Amino acid sequence: AQTVTQSQPEMSVQEAETVTLSCTYDTSESDYYLFWYKQPPSRQMILVIRQEAYKQQNATENRFSVNFQKAAKSFSLKISDSQLGDAAMYFCAYRPVESFGNEKLTFGTGTRLTIIP
Amino acid sequence: EPEVTQTPSHQVTQMGQEVILRCVPISNHLYFYWYRQILGQKVEFLVSFYNNEISEKSEIFDDQFSVERPDGSNFTLKIRSTKLEDSAMYFCASSVQGWDEQFFGPGTRLTVL
Repeated sequence: AQTVTQSQPEMSVQEAETVTLSCTYDTSESDYYLFWYKQPPSRQMILVIRQEAYKQQNATENRFSVNFQKAAKSFSLKISDSQLGDAAMYFCAYRPVESFGNEKLTFGTGTRLTIIP
Repeated sequence: EPEVTQTPSHQVTQMGQEVILRCVPISNHLYFYWYRQILGQKVEFLVSFYNNEISEKSEIFDDQFSVERPDGSNFTLKIRSTKLEDSAMYFCASSVQGWDEQFFGPGTRLTVL
């Protein structure tokens, strides 16, 4: 069974600084997807960024980027130029490459990110 | 921008009662999901649904749970006889295809007394 581990229950960062959230996972699959979801206080989860395991290039979305280390099964999220609106719970998630009946997301326990003005 | 909606936002019920949580997925989406999050814990998968049948379910999704797409827009989760441990936030999600991004609703907080 796949597992996702987020070892940092809470993190804080000064506004405009950079912060990195850690995630490790365990799987026997060679191809899969990894995600970072953001859950603001309103509690609706929003996809921040997605990485496909077969792609060596790290995904980037504006101020958000990932450091994907497939051999180490590590998938960290870097937030640059942190803004107050980045304050949220961040979940790392895993999903196998699609096959019918195997679309579920497996989530980590989350990291609560606080932005210090 | 289209969104997944859920009603009610908060449901309080007595242990042993039946509850139905409702979701309206994004209109052109074909895959539907329910997840739950017990307070302070991780988000857990319950069930996925496609073409009017369950495609996958977790061990949490026992005989007390059922899902239905009663019409062209709603997707419901029914808990037949609620237990205290069913208290959680329940999230609905949908995607165009199974491999696509899953869009989440705002959740329904279920409190079982």
